[in-house]
This record gives sequence, C-alpha cells and structure tokens, in this order.
Amino acid sequence: QKEVEQDPGPLSVPEGAIVSLNCTYSNSAFQYFMWYRQYSRKGPELLMYTYSSGNKEDGRFTAQVDKSSKYISLFIRDSQPSDSATYLCAMSGGYQKVTFGTGTKLQVIP
Amino acid sequence: DTAVSQTPKYLVTQMGNDKSIKCEQNLGHDTMYWYKQDSKKFLKIMFSYNNKELIINETVPNRFSPKSPDKAHLNLHINSLELGDSAVYFCASSQVEMNTEAFFGQGTRLTVV
Repeated sequence: QKEVEQDPGPLSVPEGAIVSLNCTYSNSAFQYFMWYRQYSRKGPELLMYTYSSGNKEDGRFTAQVDKSSKYISLFIRDSQPSDSATYLCAMSGGYQKVTFGTGTKLQVIP
Repeated sequence: DTAVSQTPKYLVTQMGNDKSIKCEQNLGHDTMYWYKQDSKKFLKIMFSYNNKELIINETVPNRFSPKSPDKAHLNLHINSLELGDSAVYFCASSQVEMNTEAFFGQGTRLTVV
C-alpha cells in the first residue's frame, strides 16, 4: 500500500462546477498537508497547506483534513477553465521529507 | 526574476553519457531539493540539502551525485545514464522551518535514448 493514495482522475467538469479532490494516507505521523497545482510542463506550485485537522479557506479553494479518517480534500468552487491542471496532494511529518500523491488531472470545460 | 531556475529545460542524450543539471534559487532559502517526476506524474524526493549539507538521500543510485557549492545552488550530476533515468527532474527550495512551502523550478525533461 502506498503511503499516500490519490484518486487518479482524470476529472472533467463544466465551468462553474464545484470540484472535490481527495487523498487518503496511511502514515499517522503526517501533520502537515499541502495541495499543489501543476500546469502542463511547469513545476508544481503550492496552493494551500494546513496543519493537523480542520478546514482552511482561500478564495475559491477550501482544504479539509480529517486525521481520524486519514483523509484530505480540496474543494474548488465556481471552477474556471484556468483551474485545469494536475492537483497533487502532499504531506509530511514536519521533517523535510514530503510525500506526494500521484496527482489528479482536472479539466474544466467552458 | 525567476525564483528557482534550472538549466537546461530539455536534455536529450544517449545511454552511457554523463550529464549535469544546474539549479539556482534567489529566495534566500536554506534548503534545496531534487525531485524526480516519472511519466505517471509521481513526484518523489531524491535529495535534500540544507546550507550545503546533505540531509536526505532517498535510496538513489550512486550514479546520481548532487553538489551544492553554496546554499543558493544545487546541481545534479548523473553518470552512465540509463533509459530508466528518463523523467522530469525538479529542483525546489524552502526555508528550513517552512518545508511545507516549497518553490519549484520549471523542471528539466531528460530523455535518454
């Protein structure tokens, strides 16, 4: 079993839809949870990070962490064509090693 | 100004050759990383350096040798390239305490033929 499992997608939604992206993990030592966005042929860029359980909102993006279920989510409201990218979840135990999911490719259709 | 820059962006080479990828960051970060992203988009850490000192070495073949001349630079040298080394290699940097916020370069697409 991989330490971090991510829904593979690809996910195709119409513009304006609410998108839900998810990851599960097995390592209970993970404390920091991140979401990165990667456009085609670009490097990943950090969208959001949260520490421990709870919700965090930033504009149209909301990150949720449920440590009891070892489950994290990223919600995108009012999705735009510019949101089309691969979304990578990532997590760490606070040391320098960050473990990434395999990414979910999202396409928002105008 | 680009925060984390890598050169070259594309690299096509034959099996058995030796090649280097260079990385520079102008963010003043203390920690730099090399990641490998395979064809399935799986991003895996290879090395981590903090202030020129090797911190993480993730069971990477010793054909891969990172070199950090100063904390703003982390280069990757690869000896005796193999077909399986074909991937996109990303350099990244972060503050030591803020490893949750890593800034990535644009990647080097290495193709071994």
